[in-house]
Amino acid sequence: AQSVTQPDIHITVSEGASLELRCNYSYGATPYLFWYVQSPGQGLQLLLKYFSGDTLVQGIKGFEAEFKRSQSSFNLRKPSVHWSDAAEYFCAVVLARGYGNKLVFGAGTILRVKS
Amino acid sequence: ETGVTQSPTHLIKTRGQQVTLRCSSQSGHNTVSWYQQALGQGPQFIFQYYREEENGRGNFPPRFSGLQFPNYSSELNVNALELDDSALYLCASNLAGYGELFFGEGSRLTVL
Repeated sequence: AQSVTQPDIHITVSEGASLELRCNYSYGATPYLFWYVQSPGQGLQLLLKYFSGDTLVQGIKGFEAEFKRSQSSFNLRKPSVHWSDAAEYFCAVVLARGYGNKLVFGAGTILRVKS
Repeated sequence: ETGVTQSPTHLIKTRGQQVTLRCSSQSGHNTVSWYQQALGQGPQFIFQYYREEENGRGNFPPRFSGLQFPNYSSELNVNALELDDSALYLCASNLAGYGELFFGEGSRLTVL
């Protein structure tokens, strides 16, 4: 069955420092991959997605992610973190081809930014 | 353009009761999905509706049911509430296929 693992429950970085959030997936075919962000009391906002093509994907708010098939990973990165990036981040994979946008989410990584 | 709106934002129920949560999809979207997000976990797919028909269901019991109306708004109904049903329920809409999901802010249900 498809699954998504986010190994880090919490990450704390200093403002201005670089960030990498890890995501590993289990999927039998070429996956469709997503990163979402959730601020407290808010819904989920899409940061970026990978369907095919260039394995380095650019998203909103200065985020990027790299798809590595050999490692079954889709890690999210940002070169310089801002205090407003503090939130919870979810990696997700589409449930199955032909299922439209039905997603399996990881458990999330809570990002704390210290000044 | 109006985004996805959900109501109510918060509610408290007791075990055994029934609850109805409502969702208005984003303008132009014909597909609505519902997710359950328990505290400290990622969202889990409940089911999806496309043109008023259920179009896929996750691992949830039949007491979780839904509807989609001709205007593409949707309801999630949960019967015989259990304590473990306490969660944030998220609605998302999109155009059919792999169009981006747009999420509402959720309805937080507490079951006592």
